[in-house]
This record gives sequence, C-alpha cells and structure tokens, in this order.
Amino acid sequence: AQKITQTQPGMFVQEKEAVTLDCTYDTSDPSYGLFWYKQPSSGEMIFLIYQGSYDQQNATEGRYSLNFQKARKSANLVISASQLGDSAMYFCAMERSGGFKTIFGAGTRLFVKA
Amino acid sequence: GAVVSQHPSRVICKSGTSVKIECRSLDFQATTMFWYRQFPKQSLMLMATSNEGSKATYEQGVEKDKFLINHASLTLSTLTVTSAHPEDSSFYICSARTGQGYEQYFGPGTRLTVT
Repeated sequence: AQKITQTQPGMFVQEKEAVTLDCTYDTSDPSYGLFWYKQPSSGEMIFLIYQGSYDQQNATEGRYSLNFQKARKSANLVISASQLGDSAMYFCAMERSGGFKTIFGAGTRLFVKA
Repeated sequence: GAVVSQHPSRVICKSGTSVKIECRSLDFQATTMFWYRQFPKQSLMLMATSNEGSKATYEQGVEKDKFLINHASLTLSTLTVTSAHPEDSSFYICSARTGQGYEQYFGPGTRLTVT
C-alpha cells in the first residue's frame, strides 16, 4: 500500500530564511510521481512542484526545490527566501504513474514570521 | 493555465435535504475528475474517481448511494450529497485531469454546512 508521511504538524520560519518541509513515502511501485501543494486559508490547492521517480535531478521551481532521496524514500520541500505569503498548509502527495489516484500526507502548516 | 471551477463556493442546507455541487473544467477537456473531502485541519481524502460517460469508482468506505457522482460531459462532473446530515459538513474539492501528463487541476472547493 502507498503511504505519505509528514511528521511536522507546524513549522515556523523567519522571513527571508529558508525552510525544509519533510516528506517520506512508501510504495512498492517502481514508477511514481511526487508532488507538493500549497493550501492557503482560502482553501484552493496550488501546485508547487513535481518529481518523477526516474528523474535524475531534483526538481526546482523558482524558490521551491524538492530534495529527492530515492533510497531513503524522502521528498522534502525546500522553500528559499521565505515570504509572509508563504504562510499556508503544505501537502506532500504521491501517485502511481498511470494510476492517476493521488494520496496526500497529513500536511504541515508553515508560519512565516516578520 | 487550466482552470477548474466549482459551484457553489459555499452552501448551507438543512438536514435531510440534498445538495448538488458542480465541477467544471473551463478551458480543457477532462477525461477524469476526482472528488475529495477535507475536514478542518485534516488532509484531502479521495472520495471517488469519475470518467466521462462511465460510472464513478468510489473509495472504500464512501457510500455511493449517498454521494452521487455524475460525469455527464468532458467538462462537467457533479457531486450530489443526498439526505445530508450534519456530519456531511465538510470542504469538498474536485480536480480534473486531461489524461496526458501529471498535472491535476483543482477547483477552489465548496464548503458545505448542514444544519
């Protein structure tokens, strides 16, 4: 069975500093995709970044990067130069390639302090 | 970019009544749409997967007779909560996929309150 684990219910970071949100996963599928989404208080799910299991390089999207360690089954999200607008809930998610069904972790609430 | 809309954004209904939530892909055709449920301070839980023209596939523990899903066209899926009860109060989110690539486009969600 597939599983996503986010062990940090809440995180604080000072504005302009970097922060790492942890995510570990469990799957027996050889091909899968890993995602990070941001959910502000409005409720909308905002796609941040994607990493395929066969991608050799870590994904990056602007201030977001995904630290993918396949052997350790971890896919941590790194946000550089945090901004006040980054305060939100962050979800790590996984899906089996071609399977389309996505499972989500419990989420980490990030608070950015001025 | 691809846009998914949901209507209504908020709805309050009385216990025992039914409420319909619409999910539309505005600028693309969605071969597959998903319905999620999110309780306060919790994660998204997949309720069902719907493909255009076929019956929805429900996740274990989701009552198909209570949560009726119809995917009548490539741009519209509806979720009807029948005989709603206060415990059905939740945030319902739909998403859509084109069938190509990994992108999943989420709607803004519908907050249902059953009194």
